[in-house]
Amino acid sequence: NAGVMQNPRHLVRRRGQEARLRCSPMKGHSHVYWYRQLPEEGLKFMVYLQKENIIDESGMPKERFSAEFPKEGPSILRIQQVVRGDSAAYFCASSLRGSTFGYSNQPQHFGDGTRLSIL
Amino acid sequence: QKEVEQNSGPLSVPEGAIASLNCTYSDRGSQSFFWYRQYSGKSPELIMFIYSNGDKEDGRFTAQLNKASQYVSLLIRDSQPSDSATYLCAVTSFGNEKLTFGTGTRLTIIP
Repeated sequence: NAGVMQNPRHLVRRRGQEARLRCSPMKGHSHVYWYRQLPEEGLKFMVYLQKENIIDESGMPKERFSAEFPKEGPSILRIQQVVRGDSAAYFCASSLRGSTFGYSNQPQHFGDGTRLSIL
Repeated sequence: QKEVEQNSGPLSVPEGAIASLNCTYSDRGSQSFFWYRQYSGKSPELIMFIYSNGDKEDGRFTAQLNKASQYVSLLIRDSQPSDSATYLCAVTSFGNEKLTFGTGTRLTIIP
Protein backbone atom coordinates (compact mmCIF):
# COMPACT_ATOMS: atom_id res chain seq x y z
CA ASN A 1 0.00 0.00 0.00
CA ALA A 2 1.65 3.23 -1.18
CA GLY A 3 -0.59 5.54 0.85
CA VAL A 4 -0.09 7.18 4.23
CA MET A 5 -0.43 4.50 6.88
CA GLN A 6 -1.70 5.26 10.34
CA ASN A 7 -2.20 2.94 13.26
CA PRO A 8 -4.08 2.14 15.25
CA ARG A 9 -7.33 3.08 13.52
CA HIS A 10 -9.12 3.27 16.85
CA LEU A 11 -7.57 3.76 20.26
CA VAL A 12 -9.33 3.77 23.61
CA ARG A 13 -7.58 5.09 26.68
CA ARG A 14 -8.60 5.92 30.22
CA ARG A 15 -7.93 9.34 31.66
CA GLY A 16 -4.32 9.64 32.75
CA GLN A 17 -2.95 7.01 30.37
CA GLU A 18 -0.63 7.63 27.45
CA ALA A 19 -1.63 7.47 23.79
CA ARG A 20 0.82 6.76 20.98
CA LEU A 21 -0.24 7.31 17.40
CA ARG A 22 1.90 6.16 14.50
CA CYS A 23 2.22 7.38 10.96
CA SER A 24 4.25 6.09 8.01
CA PRO A 25 4.34 8.56 5.11
CA MET A 26 3.75 7.74 1.49
CA LYS A 27 6.70 6.14 -0.23
CA GLY A 28 9.17 8.80 -1.22
CA HIS A 29 7.66 11.44 1.04
CA SER A 30 9.90 12.94 3.71
CA HIS A 31 7.56 15.58 5.17
CA VAL A 32 4.98 14.63 7.78
CA TYR A 33 2.18 16.70 9.28
CA TRP A 34 -0.24 15.99 12.10
CA TYR A 35 -3.75 17.46 12.29
CA ARG A 36 -6.53 17.09 14.81
CA GLN A 37 -10.24 17.14 14.11
CA LEU A 38 -12.44 17.61 17.14
CA PRO A 39 -16.09 16.51 16.88
CA GLU A 40 -18.06 18.94 14.72
CA GLU A 41 -14.99 21.13 14.24
CA GLY A 42 -12.56 21.73 11.43
CA LEU A 43 -9.12 20.27 10.95
CA LYS A 44 -6.41 22.04 12.93
CA PHE A 45 -2.69 21.86 12.27
CA MET A 46 -0.56 20.51 15.08
CA VAL A 47 3.00 19.87 13.94
CA TYR A 48 5.23 19.55 10.88
CA LEU A 49 8.25 17.26 10.89
CA GLN A 50 11.00 16.09 8.63
CA LYS A 51 13.30 13.21 9.45
CA GLU A 52 14.81 13.84 12.90
CA ASN A 53 13.59 17.45 12.93
CA ILE A 54 10.55 19.32 14.17
CA ILE A 55 10.05 22.15 11.71
CA ASP A 56 6.87 23.79 13.03
CA GLU A 57 5.07 22.88 16.24
CA SER A 58 3.01 26.04 16.51
CA GLY A 59 -0.23 24.07 16.72
CA MET A 60 0.82 21.70 19.47
CA PRO A 61 -0.62 22.17 22.95
CA LYS A 62 2.12 23.33 25.30
CA GLU A 63 1.85 20.39 27.63
CA ARG A 64 1.40 16.61 27.32
CA PHE A 65 1.79 16.49 23.53
CA SER A 66 4.98 15.61 21.68
CA ALA A 67 5.93 14.37 18.24
CA GLU A 68 8.93 12.80 16.61
CA PHE A 69 9.98 11.47 13.24
CA PRO A 70 13.09 9.36 13.75
CA LYS A 71 15.62 8.48 11.11
CA GLU A 72 14.18 4.98 10.98
CA GLY A 73 10.56 4.10 11.57
CA PRO A 74 7.26 5.94 11.63
CA SER A 75 6.41 9.33 13.00
CA ILE A 76 4.92 9.18 16.50
CA LEU A 77 2.43 11.56 18.10
CA ARG A 78 2.47 11.03 21.84
CA ILE A 79 -0.13 12.29 24.28
CA GLN A 80 0.67 11.88 27.94
CA GLN A 81 -1.90 11.83 30.75
CA VAL A 82 -4.84 11.97 28.37
CA VAL A 83 -8.00 13.86 29.29
CA ARG A 84 -11.51 13.65 27.86
CA GLY A 85 -10.89 16.74 25.74
CA ASP A 86 -8.22 14.83 23.81
CA SER A 87 -10.93 12.68 22.21
CA ALA A 88 -10.71 13.43 18.50
CA ALA A 89 -9.64 12.12 15.13
CA TYR A 90 -5.91 12.57 14.57
CA PHE A 91 -4.80 12.65 10.97
CA CYS A 92 -1.34 12.38 9.58
CA ALA A 93 -0.45 13.74 6.15
CA SER A 94 2.69 13.60 4.07
CA SER A 95 4.11 15.48 1.13
CA LEU A 96 6.95 15.03 -1.30
CA ARG A 97 8.65 18.19 -0.06
CA GLY A 98 7.82 21.56 1.35
CA SER A 99 7.87 24.79 -0.59
CA THR A 100 11.26 25.96 -1.73
CA PHE A 101 12.32 28.91 -3.79
CA GLY A 102 10.48 28.77 -7.07
CA TYR A 103 8.12 26.00 -6.01
CA SER A 104 4.69 26.14 -4.45
CA ASN A 105 3.59 24.09 -1.48
CA GLN A 106 3.23 20.45 -2.38
CA PRO A 107 -0.14 18.77 -1.83
CA GLN A 108 -0.49 16.86 1.39
CA HIS A 109 -2.03 13.42 1.31
CA PHE A 110 -3.86 12.16 4.37
CA GLY A 111 -3.94 8.83 6.11
CA ASP A 112 -7.14 7.22 7.39
CA GLY A 113 -6.63 8.71 10.84
CA THR A 114 -6.68 7.43 14.40
CA ARG A 115 -9.90 7.88 16.33
CA LEU A 116 -8.92 8.43 19.95
CA SER A 117 -11.55 7.94 22.63
CA ILE A 118 -10.92 8.76 26.26
CA LEU A 119 -13.02 7.00 28.88
CA GLN B 1 -12.35 37.22 11.02
CA LYS B 2 -11.60 33.58 10.31
CA GLU B 3 -8.53 32.91 8.20
CA VAL B 4 -10.42 30.68 5.77
CA GLU B 5 -14.17 30.99 5.45
CA GLN B 6 -16.67 28.70 3.80
CA ASN B 7 -20.44 28.55 3.88
CA SER B 8 -21.21 25.61 6.13
CA GLY B 9 -24.26 24.65 4.10
CA PRO B 10 -25.86 22.31 3.72
CA LEU B 11 -25.85 22.95 -0.01
CA SER B 12 -28.36 20.86 -1.91
CA VAL B 13 -27.95 20.39 -5.65
CA PRO B 14 -30.01 18.22 -8.03
CA GLU B 15 -28.22 15.31 -9.65
CA GLY B 16 -26.69 16.35 -12.97
CA ALA B 17 -26.49 20.04 -12.05
CA ILE B 18 -23.40 22.13 -11.28
CA ALA B 19 -22.39 22.45 -7.63
CA SER B 20 -20.51 25.63 -6.76
CA LEU B 21 -18.48 25.79 -3.57
CA ASN B 22 -16.88 29.01 -2.40
CA CYS B 23 -14.02 29.93 -0.09
CA THR B 24 -12.45 33.22 0.96
CA TYR B 25 -9.19 33.73 2.80
CA SER B 26 -7.75 36.62 4.76
CA ASP B 27 -3.97 36.25 4.34
CA ARG B 28 -2.80 38.03 1.19
CA GLY B 29 0.43 36.05 1.40
CA SER B 30 -1.42 32.82 0.72
CA GLN B 31 0.09 31.02 -2.20
CA SER B 32 -1.30 27.52 -2.54
CA PHE B 33 -4.93 26.46 -2.43
CA PHE B 34 -6.40 23.01 -2.00
CA TRP B 35 -9.80 21.37 -2.06
CA TYR B 36 -10.36 18.21 -0.07
CA ARG B 37 -13.42 15.99 0.05
CA GLN B 38 -14.32 14.29 3.32
CA TYR B 39 -17.00 11.68 3.67
CA SER B 40 -18.52 11.28 7.11
CA GLY B 41 -16.15 9.39 9.39
CA LYS B 42 -13.43 9.25 6.75
CA SER B 43 -10.20 11.11 6.05
CA PRO B 44 -9.79 14.14 3.76
CA GLU B 45 -9.14 13.22 0.15
CA LEU B 46 -7.34 15.67 -2.14
CA ILE B 47 -9.55 16.74 -5.04
CA MET B 48 -7.81 19.73 -6.58
CA PHE B 49 -5.01 22.18 -5.99
CA ILE B 50 -4.34 25.50 -7.67
CA TYR B 51 -1.49 27.97 -7.44
CA SER B 52 -2.16 30.61 -10.12
CA ASN B 53 -5.02 32.94 -10.88
CA GLY B 54 -7.58 31.53 -13.27
CA ASP B 55 -9.20 28.16 -13.80
CA LYS B 56 -7.85 24.66 -13.49
CA GLU B 57 -9.90 21.73 -14.75
CA ASP B 58 -9.66 18.05 -13.90
CA GLY B 59 -12.49 15.88 -15.15
CA ARG B 60 -15.77 17.10 -13.65
CA PHE B 61 -13.95 19.43 -11.25
CA THR B 62 -12.83 23.01 -11.90
CA ALA B 63 -10.96 25.12 -9.37
CA GLN B 64 -11.01 28.89 -9.79
CA LEU B 65 -8.64 31.30 -8.07
CA ASN B 66 -8.81 35.08 -7.83
CA LYS B 67 -5.99 36.33 -5.62
CA ALA B 68 -7.04 39.99 -5.93
CA SER B 69 -10.42 39.12 -4.41
CA GLN B 70 -8.89 36.48 -2.10
CA TYR B 71 -11.39 33.98 -3.38
CA VAL B 72 -11.18 30.38 -4.49
CA SER B 73 -14.00 28.18 -5.70
CA LEU B 74 -14.69 24.61 -6.75
CA LEU B 75 -17.20 23.72 -9.43
CA ILE B 76 -18.48 20.18 -9.79
CA ARG B 77 -20.19 19.50 -13.10
CA ASP B 78 -22.73 16.73 -13.68
CA SER B 79 -23.10 16.22 -9.93
CA GLN B 80 -23.53 12.64 -8.77
CA PRO B 81 -24.96 11.29 -5.50
CA SER B 82 -21.45 10.04 -4.72
CA ASP B 83 -20.32 13.68 -4.61
CA SER B 84 -22.34 14.15 -1.43
CA ALA B 85 -19.71 14.95 1.20
CA THR B 86 -18.12 17.81 3.09
CA TYR B 87 -15.73 19.87 0.98
CA LEU B 88 -12.82 21.49 2.75
CA CYS B 89 -10.93 24.48 1.44
CA ALA B 90 -7.33 24.73 2.65
CA VAL B 91 -4.63 27.34 2.19
CA THR B 92 -0.88 27.56 2.72
CA SER B 93 1.61 30.37 2.45
CA PHE B 94 5.07 30.26 0.92
CA GLY B 95 7.54 28.96 3.47
CA ASN B 96 4.73 27.96 5.83
CA GLU B 97 3.72 24.39 5.24
CA LYS B 98 0.74 24.11 7.53
CA LEU B 99 -2.65 23.79 5.90
CA THR B 100 -5.23 26.20 7.27
CA PHE B 101 -8.66 24.74 6.73
CA GLY B 102 -12.08 26.24 6.48
CA THR B 103 -14.83 24.52 8.43
CA GLY B 104 -16.13 22.90 5.26
CA THR B 105 -19.30 22.99 3.18
CA ARG B 106 -21.63 20.05 3.39
CA LEU B 107 -22.88 19.18 -0.09
CA THR B 108 -25.88 16.96 -0.76
CA ILE B 109 -26.70 15.80 -4.29
CA ILE B 110 -30.39 15.07 -4.62
CA PRO B 111 -31.21 12.16 -6.98
